[in-house]
Amino acid sequence: DADVTQTPRNRITKTGKRIMLECSQTKGHDRMYWYRQDPGLGLRLIYYSFDVKDINKGEISDGYSVSRQAQAKFSLSLESAIPNQTALYFCATSDSGSGARDYTFGSGTRLTVV
Amino acid sequence: GEDVEQSLFLSVREGDSSVINCTYTDSSSTYLYWYKQEPGAGLQLLTYIFSNMDMKQDQRLTVLLNKKDKHLSLRIADTQTGDSAIYFCAETQNTGGFKTIFGAGTRLFVKA
Repeated sequence: DADVTQTPRNRITKTGKRIMLECSQTKGHDRMYWYRQDPGLGLRLIYYSFDVKDINKGEISDGYSVSRQAQAKFSLSLESAIPNQTALYFCATSDSGSGARDYTFGSGTRLTVV
Repeated sequence: GEDVEQSLFLSVREGDSSVINCTYTDSSSTYLYWYKQEPGAGLQLLTYIFSNMDMKQDQRLTVLLNKKDKHLSLRIADTQTGDSAIYFCAETQNTGGFKTIFGAGTRLFVKA
């Protein structure tokens, strides 16, 4: 099994629909992140969580919300999806204080909003 | 500023060396990284360098860091078709919380 599992792998949804992307990890890491990848823009941080009771906005949090249900689970919601949220979404985990030396990424969720 | 910049494309012939360049702006950077993304997959850490080092070698990979110019490069010797991927430069900034910033990624094409 993968260390960081994202579901679904692919999703097509309609404008205005609510959608949830899920992430679970078996690394035992306390930190979890949601990134969005767009061509030519690299990875942009949406939200991050340093432990179960800690949620922080990243650089592009508008239109998104998150929930850290347990140390191992971090879900991303689009309350009312819009076409410019079409992107590849990655969940990542890391251990405290290690920077990105031990970032572990999921395989990504490709979301298309039509 | 927090920018990490890299060129978007690089094309090389199989067997040649590839050099992927990156510039960053934050002088508080502690670690700098190279990640590789293969099609349909997430990013995987290739190598990293601490900011007080100027070179790190790991088999076919050589990382050079010019801290004065805030320039990082990744050299892949004897490039193979399996090296075709997107390579991301990233830095962790020591700005009261260890924030990691990723570049846009360089897509490496290896021609047989």
